[in-house]
Amino acid sequence: DTGVSQNPRHKITKRGQNVTFRCDPISEHNRLYWYRQTLGQGPEFLTYFQNEAQLEKSRLLSDRFSAERPKGSFSTLEIQRTEQGDSAMYLCASSLVPRGVGETQYFGPGTRLLVL
Amino acid sequence: DAKTTQPTSMDCAEGRAANLPCNHSTISGNEYVYWYRQIHSQGPQYIIHGLKNNETNEMASLIITEDRKSSTLILPHATLRDTAVYYCIVRASYNTDKLIFGTGTRLQVFP
Repeated sequence: DTGVSQNPRHKITKRGQNVTFRCDPISEHNRLYWYRQTLGQGPEFLTYFQNEAQLEKSRLLSDRFSAERPKGSFSTLEIQRTEQGDSAMYLCASSLVPRGVGETQYFGPGTRLLVL
Repeated sequence: DAKTTQPTSMDCAEGRAANLPCNHSTISGNEYVYWYRQIHSQGPQYIIHGLKNNETNEMASLIITEDRKSSTLILPHATLRDTAVYYCIVRASYNTDKLIFGTGTRLQVFP
């Protein structure tokens, strides 16, 4: 399967713990996006990378959230000191962007986080 | 905020065409209309996109009105597996690719 993959698929944690999610984009895709989706809502943009550079962060991304894409391939999203409000599906998407013109984003299956 | 409005829910009989409308009256000249769908507990799946002309692929057809203020996604022969939430999205500004999702249309295909 050459699509976007995310690990783990499910994560249950206790309030106050740190969690880290991983996203592997489609090979050679230079853009990688993170979204968050709560129950009954559409996905909301969190941040995105062009290669290893983080180009935009939503105001939804509080100081407890950090995302990296160190070598321009896979990305990690870490949430520190989790809160119950962080419970959501975390989605990753990737695209190939030739020169700043947007192309289609392809989504992974998501990581469902439950904070107890 | 999402720049599109869609009905909250629709029903369609299996084998019939499903026509999902979307209004995007404030769309700019260089903005595309994208359609994604999300089957329960999965990531969104790309369906189709267009700028001005009607588009067709193996999954669906996209009809965009001449004034570009609305569009319709057509699934020509709906199956039970097409039951999903369908999102109509107008691409954000020229220099950023973030997708702004609304709450979409929940399509229920029944036997």
